[in-house]
Amino acid sequence: KAGVTQTPRYLIKTRGQQVTLSCSPISGHRSVSWYQQTPGQGLQFLFEYFSETQRNKGNFPGRFSGRQFSNSRSEMNVSTLELGDSALYLCASSPGMRESNQPQHFGDGTRLSIL
Amino acid sequence: AQSVAQPEDQVNVAEGNPLTVKCTYSVSGNPYLFWYVQYPNRGLQFLLKYITGDNLVKGSYGFEAEFNKSQTSFHLKKPSALVSDSALYFCAVRVDPLHKANQAGTALIFGKGTTLSVSS
Repeated sequence: KAGVTQTPRYLIKTRGQQVTLSCSPISGHRSVSWYQQTPGQGLQFLFEYFSETQRNKGNFPGRFSGRQFSNSRSEMNVSTLELGDSALYLCASSPGMRESNQPQHFGDGTRLSIL
Repeated sequence: AQSVAQPEDQVNVAEGNPLTVKCTYSVSGNPYLFWYVQYPNRGLQFLLKYITGDNLVKGSYGFEAEFNKSQTSFHLKKPSALVSDSALYFCAVRVDPLHKANQAGTALIFGKGTTLSVSS
């Protein structure tokens, strides 16, 4: 079974631009979560989607948004990029909201660099 | 507030020696605990989990972890370290969705991570 796929693997943007990252979950998984990983702040939860609806949200500004499609694929968007948005963005999938005892499975991430 | 602490930024151990990576947690209700490992330029790989039952859980690559409710700890262990175990290790907790204080979901709260360095 294919794992979680994130595209692109690397991105370079400049301040003020916007970016869209993509995530394809494991087949059959309906819950997708996004995390930001930085050396200073570690791994921080951005948001979680299930059945095309945002179910949980972390403490990030409104510049960070996401969506989920009917095939469970998800995208996250960051507008008006700031230098501090440079990070590894990780997507994770799990079977569903009720399967709390199941681990999340992570993709290899998108490395976003802001110049 | 829910939180996870990994008190050591780095753990150094010689190959063949036992290793321990420490984790403590604070949550409302029963914790669902996980350990993940991250290699350079890769995502997180699941190692093991504790949901309920035996306090000693076994996982991938010879790793195990001991859940201690009274000490709110979930330390990762391995009897004999390998150089290839060198990586960044994360402890994570998922809140009990049945507890009234918690919101249902699968999101994880992570510790800051511990770098394990195994020397040959």
